[in-house]
Amino acid sequence: EIVLTQSPGTLSLSPGERATLSCRASQGVSSTYLAWYQQKPGQAPRLLIFGASNRATGIPIRFSGSGSGTDFTLTINRLEPEDFAVYYCQQFGSSPWTFGQGTKVEIK
Amino acid sequence: QVHLQESGPGLVKPSETLSLTCTVSGASIRGYYWNWIRQAPGKGLEWLGYIYYTGSTNYNPSLKSRVTISVDTSKNQFSLKLSSVTPADTAVYYCARGNYNFPFDYWGQGTLVTVSS
Repeated sequence: EIVLTQSPGTLSLSPGERATLSCRASQGVSSTYLAWYQQKPGQAPRLLIFGASNRATGIPIRFSGSGSGTDFTLTINRLEPEDFAVYYCQQFGSSPWTFGQGTKVEIK
Repeated sequence: QVHLQESGPGLVKPSETLSLTCTVSGASIRGYYWNWIRQAPGKGLEWLGYIYYTGSTNYNPSLKSRVTISVDTSKNQFSLKLSSVTPADTAVYYCARGNYNFPFDYWGQGTLVTVSS
C-alpha cells in the first residue's frame, strides 16, 4: 500500500498569504494518478487538482499543483477567506487507492 | 448536472450489515467507476472500493472481505454492503464518481452511519 504523508498537519496563515502544502508518497506515483481535494466542515471533498498539476473545472487559478515521483505540492496563492479548509492528496494508481491524512489551513 | 445521493439507515447494530445505496442523476452510470469512501468522525478519508458499470470490482483489503459493492444499471444506482460492523465502522459514507485515469469528480453529500446497540 502506498502511504501518503502530508505536511504540515496545520498551516496558520492570513488571507492574502501563500500556502504551500506537501504530499510525500512512500513509493513513486505517476503524476497521472495524483489528485488534491478540498474539504470544508460538513461538506464532501471537492476535486481541485488532477494529474498532479491540472485544475479541475471551476477551480480558481490561485490553486496550482506540482511535483512528480514521490513529492507533490499544492500551492494556494493569495489565500481567500473561502480557502481555509482541509486539503487531501490522493493516489489512485496503485490499489488500494489511498489518501493523505490531510493538511488543515486555518486563519492565523 | 451530475448528482449523487446516498441513502440508507443511519443506525446499525454491531455485528449486523450496513447497507447503503447511491442514486446517480444527471449522468449515466455506464462508462464510469463508482466508489465508496468513508470518513470516521474527525478523521481522514478511507477508500472502500469501486465498481465499474460492467460489474467488476476492486476492494480495499483492509476491510478483510466484509465489503460488497453492486450496481443496478437499470436504476442508475450502486450499493454498498459492509458486514459484521463494529463501532469502528461509524463514519460518514460518501459515494463518488471516478473514471479511468481520472479521480473523483462528483461526490454525494455523505450520510452518517452510526454503529451502536
